Amino acid sequence: EVQLVESGGVVVQPGGSLRLACAASGFIFDDYTMHWVRQIPGKGLEWVSLISWDGGSTYYADSVKGRFTISRDNSKNSLYLQMNSLRTEDTAFYYCAKDSQQLATYYFDYWGQGTLVTVSS
Amino acid sequence: EIVMTQSPATLSVSPGERATLSCRASQSVSSNLAWYQQKPGQVPRLLIYGASTRATGIPARFSGSGSGIEFTLTISSLQSEDFAIYYCQQYNNWPPSFGQGTKVEIK
Repeated sequence: EVQLVESGGVVVQPGGSLRLACAASGFIFDDYTMHWVRQIPGKGLEWVSLISWDGGSTYYADSVKGRFTISRDNSKNSLYLQMNSLRTEDTAFYYCAKDSQQLATYYFDYWGQGTLVTVSS
Repeated sequence: EIVMTQSPATLSVSPGERATLSCRASQSVSSNLAWYQQKPGQVPRLLIYGASTRATGIPARFSGSGSGIEFTLTISSLQSEDFAIYYCQQYNNWPPSFGQGTKVEIK
């Protein structure tokens, strides 16, 4: 059974930093591109970032480019999101999501339960 | 960025009735479109990909159609567990982008 379990969401002040983690199991982690997708509570979904299976390629939404860094540790079946210079508009649930196929397709067949990041003074 | 527009924002349907949800892309996305279902307090679940292919375990009452810029998700006979928010997502152009969602509520 595929499981994705996020952690690290807390309340942080504007301008602060935070690192989210996602522990993956139930599939061959290093075969798949992985993503972060966020959702403002009660609102829609926004793709944030992706990392290729080997970590060699990373991409970001314009809204987070230069502030967020995605990474992975395949030896630990883990995905990370380093979030710097946080803004109030970054407040959201952050989901770790698995790409649907080994040849990345950019849609998502499994999602974690999400971790809530609140940016507030 | 491709803008995905879903309509209506809210759809009121009686159990057993058919529900038809629309999704329009600001430019062609070919058939690279997915649909997700999100129930309150739950994470999104993949329903449809490739505009019309049901994901694993998705009941046959869910069907998707369309290509280019116009897409439809049809739920043939609504069950109580189908009342939820539905999102479309294009993955043809960079970056992947979602519609704002259609809430299917009990009439």
